[in-house]
Parts: sequence; structure tokens; C-alpha cells
Amino acid sequence: ETGVTQSPTHLIKTRGQQVTLRCSSQSGHNTVSWYQQALGQGPQFIFQYYREEENGRGNFPPRFSGLQFPNYSSELNVNALELDDSALYLCASSLKRGGGADTQYFGPGTRLTVL
Amino acid sequence: QKEVEQDPGPLSVPEGAIVSLNCTYSNSAFQYFMWYRQYSRKGPELLMYTYSSGNKEDGRFTAQVDKSSKYISLFIRDSQPSDSATYLCAMRFQGGSEKLVFGKGTKLTVNP
Repeated sequence: ETGVTQSPTHLIKTRGQQVTLRCSSQSGHNTVSWYQQALGQGPQFIFQYYREEENGRGNFPPRFSGLQFPNYSSELNVNALELDDSALYLCASSLKRGGGADTQYFGPGTRLTVL
Repeated sequence: QKEVEQDPGPLSVPEGAIVSLNCTYSNSAFQYFMWYRQYSRKGPELLMYTYSSGNKEDGRFTAQVDKSSKYISLFIRDSQPSDSATYLCAMRFQGGSEKLVFGKGTKLTVNP
């Protein structure tokens, strides 16, 4: 059983640029959630994807968008980067069944620095 | 008032000590409670997962949930230097996106 993987590990961008982060879910999981973790803070929920559709969104602006693919992998896109977007971006996968979702398992994260 | 409050520490203890970590929350609709461990610059790793009130034990770790007080705890017995990490409490509702709401994390150092 393979765990959650994310790429790239680190990324440096400048203000105004766009970035795409990638996540491969754990084998057998069908749901992917994305979180932003600023330094010294707990992760904050960005959004969740289930069956290729957005299934809930946190308090993040529309310049944060995502995709889920038929193989359940996912992308997080951020447009018009701001300095405050510098953070660790975490992807978590889980298995959503009829009665609800199972535990979320996290990947190692992508550290984004915006200069 | 934040939904989940957690003292960020830092907390420093000698090896072998019993460690107590706590979170309080404001929304009584939370049904599932988790503790994650996060090593520096790594992703969170699930330690304990409990539903509603009660205790759960796994090796040296015990999780307690008191829904009447909106208070959850994690106890670590016989703490080891390898337990040095940030401990995050998390909780979620039942249904919907089932997003996790995290505390700020408590940084723990176990000194040999």
C-alpha cells in the first residue's frame, strides 16, 4: 500500500506568479483534501475533492482552485501569488463511503516560498 | 473565539515523564477527534482517532474526550526523545466535507 505523495517538495515563486502543486492519494482512497499550514500554525482547510467535484471549501479566495482526476490524484492551483501564501501545503486522502469519510492521511507537504 | 484552542507551548520534559496535552473547543457539533504528530518540516501523522466521548489507549498513548466540557486530552506515558515533535489536535463534524479543524499545535521536547 503506497502512502500519499506530493510534488514538488519545495518551490520558490515571486509575487503575482501562478503555481501548481500535485498530490497522489493513498491506494484505495477516493477523496483528497488540501490544507495550508503557515509557520507556527495548525493546518487550515482549503477544499476537498470527491469524485472529481469540489465537496466543501474553507475560507480561501477563488484564486485557490483545484482538480481531481479519475485516478483520484489532485492538483492545487494558486494564481496571483501573494507573500502571505508562503506556507506548507498539505494534501490528505481518505475513503468516503456511504456512511461518511474515513480518517485523513497526510502527505509530506510542499513548502512554497513567495518572494 | 477560535473553534479549537491549543496551548502552543513549548513543553519540555525529561525522558520517562508522563506528558499531558490538551485542547478545548467551542462547537458541540464536533463528533470525531484526532491527534496528529508532526515532526519538523514533515506532514502530520495520525496517532489517535476517537468518536464522541470516552477513552482510547494505544501503547504508550491514551486519548480522552469529554464532550460535556468540550475538552480533549492526549497522554504519553514513559516519554522518549523520539516523541519530540509538534502535537496537533483535530476534530470534525459528521457529514458534509468533513473538513478537519486543527488546533495550533503544541511543541514537545523530551530531553534524554
